[in-house]
Amino acid sequence: GAVVSQHPSRVICKSGTSVKIECRSLDFQATTMFWYRQFPKQSLMLMATSNEGSKATYEQGVEKDKFLINHASLTLSTLTVTSAHPEDSSFYICSASLAGSTEAFFGQGTRLTVV
Amino acid sequence: AQSVSQHNHHVILSEAASLELGCNYSYGGTVNLFWYVQYPGQHLQLLLKYFSGDPLVKGIKGFEAEFIKSKFSFNLRKPSVQWSDTAEYFCAVIPFGSGTYKYIFGTGTRLKVLA
Repeated sequence: GAVVSQHPSRVICKSGTSVKIECRSLDFQATTMFWYRQFPKQSLMLMATSNEGSKATYEQGVEKDKFLINHASLTLSTLTVTSAHPEDSSFYICSASLAGSTEAFFGQGTRLTVV
Repeated sequence: AQSVSQHNHHVILSEAASLELGCNYSYGGTVNLFWYVQYPGQHLQLLLKYFSGDPLVKGIKGFEAEFIKSKFSFNLRKPSVQWSDTAEYFCAVIPFGSGTYKYIFGTGTRLKVLA
């Protein structure tokens, strides 16, 4: 199957700093990638849809100025958590699908801890 | 709002026991249905999916799921579990006609199989 790589897998940052998470499709091109967030004992919640070459589409309640998404190429999308606060601590996962397919391939996730 | 419910948050079974994990969704239209599995330390992986046709779907590793439209359910089953099935299982739905491949996930079920 297709492989999606996410980096870093864990990051600890100080409150007020910014953190960038990368999501790469290793062996296929992805015009669309998705970013999810998972709180403990809760389901994966879609944050935004990342579209190559255009602005991301954010879900209701997600602050686009706080969670900056850049999809500059067909194999890379980045999520930057700006001015991070402890409440941003969570597990972030990206996914991508092959063109015309609904099967999603997921990255291994990034555990962000803001101290 | 559309949602997916997984009734069992934690399940503990002995090897060779039968497994059934419940999944119900709330959406009146056509849906694509999925079960994903996440083994410890690994990416989410697709177990099986249902789009149309035979409501009994067979997936990898001996898993199957049955779509019962009248009950809005898509329960996952395996006749005889193995220790290696220890993982977290997620049910997911894509409402048909949503425009993009936006998954709605359940909260997940942690399965532990005792050797």
